[in-house]
Amino acid sequence: SQTIHQWPATLVQPVGSPLSLECTVEGTSNPNLYWYRQAAGRGLQLLFYSVGIGQISSEVPQNLSASRPQDRQFILSSKKLLLSDSGFYLCAWSHKLGQGSNQPQHFGDGTRLSIL
Amino acid sequence: SQQGEEDPQALSIQEGENATMNCSYKTSINNLQWYRQNSGRGLVHLILIRSNEREKHSGRLRVTLDTSKKSSSLLITASRAADTASYFCATYNQGGKLIFGQGTELSVKP
Repeated sequence: SQTIHQWPATLVQPVGSPLSLECTVEGTSNPNLYWYRQAAGRGLQLLFYSVGIGQISSEVPQNLSASRPQDRQFILSSKKLLLSDSGFYLCAWSHKLGQGSNQPQHFGDGTRLSIL
Repeated sequence: SQQGEEDPQALSIQEGENATMNCSYKTSINNLQWYRQNSGRGLVHLILIRSNEREKHSGRLRVTLDTSKKSSSLLITASRAADTASYFCATYNQGGKLIFGQGTELSVKP
């Protein structure tokens, strides 16, 4: 069966520090991968998605970036964190059939990021 | 942009009662999905209903879809304390992105 892992679960970082959040998927190949941010435990905002190694689409211009160095690895990064980067970050994957349509997404347990 | 909007924003019921949550969306869809999120955790996919379906069941969950009204409802029957969570509807937009609503926060009191 497929599993998705995100780490760390919680992170406290000072303003201006770098960030690296990692997400890996097991049990499937060539998945679509997604990074979301969720503020105040409510709606999700899509940040990045990837359909393959090295292929990243950005949905929201900001000081975050994403990379996909391996088929089942998705990394969210920042060179200098802002206070507004605080939030709950979720990684997800889906199968590719139908170009993502009709496919449910499967989520990791998230990283709670607090910027001080 | 296409987005599901859930109603109510919060719902508090007693164990054993039924819980009904509604979702409205703006444009035509291929399918609509419902997810659950326990506090501090990731989202879990519950059920997908296609645009040519009117009703779908999964255990204690019943989902209806009315494409003429661009709305869907999620019914949880005989609720349990463990059903306490936030529930989100989501639809794919024309760009292939899954767009989530703001969610309904369900509290089931024992």
